Amino acid sequence: GNSVTQMEGPVTLSEEAFLTINCTYTATGYPSLFWYVQYPGEGLQLLLKATKADDKGSNKGFEATYRKETTSFHLEKGSVQVSDSAVYFCALTSENYGQNFVFGPGTRLSVLP
Amino acid sequence: NAGVTQTPKFQVLKTGQSMTLQCAQDMNHEYMSWYRQDPGMGLRLIHYSVGAGITDQGEVPNGYNVSRSTTEDFPLRLLSAAPSQTSVYFCASSRESIRNSRQPQHFGDGTRLSIL
Repeated sequence: GNSVTQMEGPVTLSEEAFLTINCTYTATGYPSLFWYVQYPGEGLQLLLKATKADDKGSNKGFEATYRKETTSFHLEKGSVQVSDSAVYFCALTSENYGQNFVFGPGTRLSVLP
Repeated sequence: NAGVTQTPKFQVLKTGQSMTLQCAQDMNHEYMSWYRQDPGMGLRLIHYSVGAGITDQGEVPNGYNVSRSTTEDFPLRLLSAAPSQTSVYFCASSRESIRNSRQPQHFGDGTRLSIL
């Protein structure tokens, strides 16, 4: 079946450090890939998405590239801020799973000033 | 623009009690779903609906019932609460998926449920 694996963290960085959160997936068909962010006490918000191989999703300085050859969708940001502290979820949908999302376990990021 | 509204935000129940978690969206989305979020396990799909009158089971449906009598509302019912159902519950909605272009989901702020 479909699954998503991501580094669980917690990840602790200093402000302005470079961020990478790894995400790999297993899916049949042609999945679409997403990163969601959850701030404390809130629901999940879409951060970025990519719907086909080699697409790059980007938003708020975050980027992720859909790599079909390595089944990966790693999240990166060149310079993190304290306000980026949150939990980040990698997720996918695929044609054989209707519109249902499969989420990774989440990675907690703490950015220190 | 309310988006997805969940009530209540917090609830404490005793084992065996029943309750309904409410979810409403004002975006005319066809697709709605319920997830539970547990530490280290991400979000797991409980039930979902692709339109009014249509519901189906997700990954962890046991102990939960749903109905979809209107496009806007998608309540989740716990018939006899158990401690294993202590979790944070999220409702989400999205537009109907367009072929090869999956629509992102919009999430509510969650309901934190404790079963004693």
